Amino acid sequence: AQKVTQAQTEISVVEKEDVTLDCVYETRDTTYYLFWYKQPPSGELVFLIRRNSFDEQNEISGRYSWNFQKSTSSFNFTITASQVVDSAVYFCALSGSRDDKIIFGKGTRLHILP
Amino acid sequence: ETGVTQSPTHLIKTRGQQVTLRCSSQSGHNTVSWYQQALGQGPQFIFQYYREEENGRGNFPPRFSGLQFPNYSSELNVNALELDDSALYLCASSNYRENIQYFGAGTRLSVL
Repeated sequence: AQKVTQAQTEISVVEKEDVTLDCVYETRDTTYYLFWYKQPPSGELVFLIRRNSFDEQNEISGRYSWNFQKSTSSFNFTITASQVVDSAVYFCALSGSRDDKIIFGKGTRLHILP
Repeated sequence: ETGVTQSPTHLIKTRGQQVTLRCSSQSGHNTVSWYQQALGQGPQFIFQYYREEENGRGNFPPRFSGLQFPNYSSELNVNALELDDSALYLCASSNYRENIQYFGAGTRLSVL
């Protein structure tokens, strides 16, 4: 069975601090895709990144970076120099094949305090 | 913005009624997926439509049904509404080859 665990329910940090959101996944598939989505108060899920299981390179996009470690089944997300606009619920998610259903974690609510 | 639009944005129904939610997919996308998000939870997959056929279904009863039209827009129908159906319903569109789902802002359904 596929499962995504985000152990951190809620995190609060002061603006400009770095923060890491943890994600651990379970799957028996050899080919799979990992995602991070952001959900601001408006409700729309905003796509941030997709990573396939064969690409363990870490990725950086501006203040965002992702650390994929197959050995520990983790796909962690770090925001550097956080800003108030980063406040949202962040979901880690897993898909087993192309355009298959996406399995979401329960999300981590991130508060960036001014 | 993703280009995925959902209507209506909010809806209030009473138990036992039926509801239809609508989704227009992003231009160039041929696959639509529907998710239910209860308060404080992650989205749960309901079903997916590709080329007007159901292409996978989550653990939802048959009273949840859908349609996809030739222009790739989609409807989600829920019959015999129950109180637990109160949730945010999210639609996502994708290109079948690309595997990245882009979400709309959702329809918030309240069942009283």
